[in-house]
Amino acid sequence: GAVVSQHPSWVICKSGTSVKIECRSLDFQATTMFWYRQFPKQSLMLMATSNEGSKATYEQGVEKDKFLINHASLTLSTLTVTSAHPEDSSFYICSADGRTALYYGYTFGSGTRLTVV
Amino acid sequence: QQQVKQSPQSLIVQKGGIPIINCAYENTAFDYFPWYQQFPGKGPALLIAIRPDVSEKKEGRFTISFNKSAKQFSLHIMDSQPGDSATYFCAASIETSGSRLTFGEGTQLTVNP
Repeated sequence: GAVVSQHPSWVICKSGTSVKIECRSLDFQATTMFWYRQFPKQSLMLMATSNEGSKATYEQGVEKDKFLINHASLTLSTLTVTSAHPEDSSFYICSADGRTALYYGYTFGSGTRLTVV
Repeated sequence: QQQVKQSPQSLIVQKGGIPIINCAYENTAFDYFPWYQQFPGKGPALLIAIRPDVSEKKEGRFTISFNKSAKQFSLHIMDSQPGDSATYFCAASIETSGSRLTFGEGTQLTVNP
């Protein structure tokens, strides 16, 4: 089946530094990938939609200069949290749109736990 | 109109019971309704999904019931096991390439031994 690999699984960084999270579709091509943020015991909150070769579309209230998204290929999207602060600590999850002839549905990565100290 | 309402927020059943989780939507353009299972510290995993042209779909112990006129769909878990203890999310989307998923609020299911 469709597999999405997300790295790292967890990261601790100092306040003011930047962190990059990678999301790879391993066995299918994904024109569109999505980035979510999830707080404890809450649902997934869509941050942005990432389309290969074009600028990401950010949801209202999400700072595009803080959360940089790059979707340079059909199998890789990255989220960079710039100048991270403790309030950016959260669980970040990517998803790839795998609705092709072979696969159906949105496949999620395993998530990245970011802790900013 | 983009919302998906999910209930209950939490649910506790005994092993072998049949937990039922309900979702309701507003947007009649939605045509893809998946259910996801999420364990702590992990990303959601697709359990089962349905399109509005059928009223029921079964995969193993999981069944989706779909009522198009009421704009409601539900997940039934047959013969529930402690290993089914997780958070379940319903979702909906429009089946065009690149469209987003709209998630329900989630249901935390606990299956006691």
